[in-house]
Amino acid sequence: KAGVTQTPRYLIKTRGQQVTLSCSPISGHRSVSWYQQTPGQGLQFLFEYFSETQRNKGNFPGRFSGRQFSNSRSEMNVSTLELGDSALYLCASSPRDRGGYTFGSGTRLTVV
Amino acid sequence: AQKITQTQPGMFVQEKEAVTLDCTYDTSDPSYGLFWYKQPSSGEMIFLIYQGSYDQQNATEGRYSLNFQKARKSANLVISASQLGDSAMYFCAMRELEADRDDKIIFGKGTRLHILP
Repeated sequence: KAGVTQTPRYLIKTRGQQVTLSCSPISGHRSVSWYQQTPGQGLQFLFEYFSETQRNKGNFPGRFSGRQFSNSRSEMNVSTLELGDSALYLCASSPRDRGGYTFGSGTRLTVV
Repeated sequence: AQKITQTQPGMFVQEKEAVTLDCTYDTSDPSYGLFWYKQPSSGEMIFLIYQGSYDQQNATEGRYSLNFQKARKSANLVISASQLGDSAMYFCAMRELEADRDDKIIFGKGTRLHILP
């Protein structure tokens, strides 16, 4: 079966712009989580969606938002981009049983 | 609060030797899952192995095994007969499984493994 698909793979934006990243989970997976990975902070949890509802949110400013659609696809949005938002953004889907999360290949965002 | 500690920022190992990557964790939840992921330079997080807190036996997946010591809150990854392709960043992670808990996994800082020819 198809894995977790994230688009785009690479993105370059300028400060002040906004960006939308997309994630398509594995078919049948209803939980989608987003993580930010930077060399300094490591992997940090952004938020988790299940059945179109945000169930959990990490410690990020309100510029970071997301949503999930009825087909479980998810998007995350970052407004008013800052240089420090440059990172690898990883999406993961889960069937919400005892198993693990399957990650996508990530979107590498560079803010200049 | 949940916490994952990986004390080895980097390791150099000769090809074909066995490798142990350390991981300790902290949780007050009696039901949890422990994971190891591999992240090559391409960035993708590759799931390696899973251990549930109530599993009686240590998990194994091919050359990967998880040395689970529940009383010590330790979940070390053992890679047997290391290969050059094992060079990557390795993350230990944990997920609390109680039904009413927030569903997220937390990660350690990672260990960068270098396999030497």
